[in-house]
Amino acid sequence: DGGITQSPKYLFRKEGQNVTLSCEQNLNHDAMYWYRQDPGQGLRLIYYSQIVNDFQKGDIAEGYSVSREKKESFPLTVTSAQKNPTAFYLCASSYSGGPDTQYFGPGTRLTVL
Amino acid sequence: DAKTTQPTSMDCAEGRAANLPCNHSTISGNEYVYWYRQIHSQGPQYIIHGLKNNETNEMASLIITEDRKSSTLILPHATLRDTAVYYCIVRSNTNAGKSTFGDGTTLTVKP
Repeated sequence: DGGITQSPKYLFRKEGQNVTLSCEQNLNHDAMYWYRQDPGQGLRLIYYSQIVNDFQKGDIAEGYSVSREKKESFPLTVTSAQKNPTAFYLCASSYSGGPDTQYFGPGTRLTVL
Repeated sequence: DAKTTQPTSMDCAEGRAANLPCNHSTISGNEYVYWYRQIHSQGPQYIIHGLKNNETNEMASLIITEDRKSSTLILPHATLRDTAVYYCIVRSNTNAGKSTFGDGTTLTVKP
C-alpha cells in the first residue's frame, strides 16, 4: 500500500528526555513536512524539506530538529529544549515544493510526563 | 504569506448542501486555495484546490470569487460522516513550506 506512516501512534516520555518521531512515505514525494497541533487549534509548521539533505525552519522550529538523509524518511526529534512538547504531531508529504497536494500521516500523540 | 479567516463553527442538516466560506483578502497571484478536513485525532484529508476558476471533484465544489479574495467550499449533500474541522489554506507555488493552517471551521452535520 502506498502512503505515509507515522509511528508510534501514542508516545509517552519523561520531561527532559529527547524523543524522535518517525515519518516514512513510499509515495516518491520530494517534499516532507512536520506540523504540530494543540487541542482545538490548527496546524503549525515546524520544519519542512523540499529535497534530500535540505530542510528549512517553519514557524515554530525552536526546540525541534530534523534530518532528511533519505527521500522516504523525515524524522523529527523533540528535544528537551522544547518547553511544551505535549501535542499531536503530523507529518505530510507532497510531490514537490510547489502547489501540490499534501498527504498527511495518521499523527503521533506525544505526552510528556 | 496570505492568511485565511473562517467562521469558527457551522451546522448543516443531513442531506442539505454545506457552504463553508473562507476569506483570504491578501492572497497573491501565485497562491492557490486549498481545502482540507480533519476528523478528530486523524491526519487532515485533502478535499480540493484551485487558483482562479471554480473546481469540482467527487467530494466537493470550490467557488473562488473573481477578485480571489474569498472562496466557498460546497459539500452538495452533507452526511453525518462529513462532520469534521475544515481548513482553508493558501499555498504558494514558490515557497510551499509557508502554508498556514488557521483554526478552521467545525462543521456539524445533524440528522
